[in-house]
Amino acid sequence: NAGVMQNPRHLVRRRGQEARLRCSPMKGHSHVYWYRQLPEEGLKFMVYLQKENIIDESGMPKERFSAEFPKEGPSILRIQQVVRGDSAAYFCASSLGRLLDEQFFGPGTRLTVL
Amino acid sequence: ILNVEQSPQSLHVQEGDSTNFTCSFPSSNFYALHWYRWETAKSPEALFVMTLNGDEKKKGRISATLNTKEGYSYLYIKGSQPEDSATYLCAPLDSNYQLIWGAGTKLIIKP
Repeated sequence: NAGVMQNPRHLVRRRGQEARLRCSPMKGHSHVYWYRQLPEEGLKFMVYLQKENIIDESGMPKERFSAEFPKEGPSILRIQQVVRGDSAAYFCASSLGRLLDEQFFGPGTRLTVL
Repeated sequence: ILNVEQSPQSLHVQEGDSTNFTCSFPSSNFYALHWYRWETAKSPEALFVMTLNGDEKKKGRISATLNTKEGYSYLYIKGSQPEDSATYLCAPLDSNYQLIWGAGTKLIIKP
């Protein structure tokens, strides 16, 4: 049973470009979470999704950021018109249930904006 | 939004010694508490999910206790080994059922 997969592992973008980060949850998991770790900071919740639905996006910036988890395929975190401040490690996690089940984390995508 | 505090921020422990650290959270509207272990250059890894007051969980040399009435959880490591070096994160669920992550306790085991 493969763990949570994220790709790419490293992504370099110039200011103004778009970044697309992908996350494939563990098999059987329908709950997906995206987190951001800014340099020298801890984990910050961004968004929580179930298949085809955004349940909680309270941690996601209102502009330029969007997330989806389609019926088929991975969850995508999309950042439009990236700025230097978007440089961070973006982690995806999945869980079987929402509240009492542990979250399994992917290896993260490290985004660098030049 | 819950205010989660972990102490100490960092801790140096001699190999073989036992140690413990604290996670504090508001006791009202408590639902569950998660503990995770995060090694440098890796991803967070779940240790425990705790719900009941007085709960005690154990995994190998690591154990945790929970006091929901006073709003704290302790994580204990018995006989620390170099591989225990990591940041230990606690995360209670808030009233929106969202995990609120503490800043972590960074544990460094000195050989």
